[in-house]
Amino acid sequence: GAGVSQSPSNKVTEKGKDVELRCDPISGHTALYWYRQSLGQGLEFLIYFQGNSAPDKSGLPSDRFSAERTGGSVSTLTIQRTQQEDSAVYLCASSSKTGELFFGEGSRLTVL
Amino acid sequence: DQQVKQNSPSLSVQEGRISILNCDYTNSMFDYFLWYKKYPAEGPTFLISISSIKDKNEDGRFTVFLNKSAKHLSLHIVPSQPGDSAVYFCAARGTSYGKLTFGQGTILTVHP
Repeated sequence: GAGVSQSPSNKVTEKGKDVELRCDPISGHTALYWYRQSLGQGLEFLIYFQGNSAPDKSGLPSDRFSAERTGGSVSTLTIQRTQQEDSAVYLCASSSKTGELFFGEGSRLTVL
Repeated sequence: DQQVKQNSPSLSVQEGRISILNCDYTNSMFDYFLWYKKYPAEGPTFLISISSIKDKNEDGRFTVFLNKSAKHLSLHIVPSQPGDSAVYFCAARGTSYGKLTFGQGTILTVHP
């Protein structure tokens, strides 16, 4: 596709369940980012992948959060044992060498 | 530690007038700054950027000013239009690649 694609667009889950969020970046973009936006908050950095380099995981809030990027393309963000404070919009972005980030529409996660 | 700050949560402007959105940063290693616009239920979209070697960049109705000594940047929108109503995020990074650090956002409302 032409843009960054994220799925699911909406996810409602029960506290304690695991969730997986998927991101399909723009073809040819070597960098991929995950951010989240909690209600009334700014964009919080989670993790950054750049080519074959080790990812920058410095923004992951706890060890319940993990992400992988397979084949340098699709990425999956996994949240284990979800908590209510994990409720947020999870945004994926990719960028080329110009450095400008292109965002997907986000995955809205609601933990009941 | 909030390295990029947008101290005004909201701004209300009359159509046709100038909108000025402000952003302050603390990390002197930041050398590239961007503004993003976000409509509800959509991902942020890139608006305009500026490198630290410049103090002004203009694109149509949008101008970004950078004051490195004050670690301050601003976005001017002239003339403001109702369609400009959105959340505006400033962002900064310290290398040609690497994560963007975002501010908390400013909600701009342009009244007809």
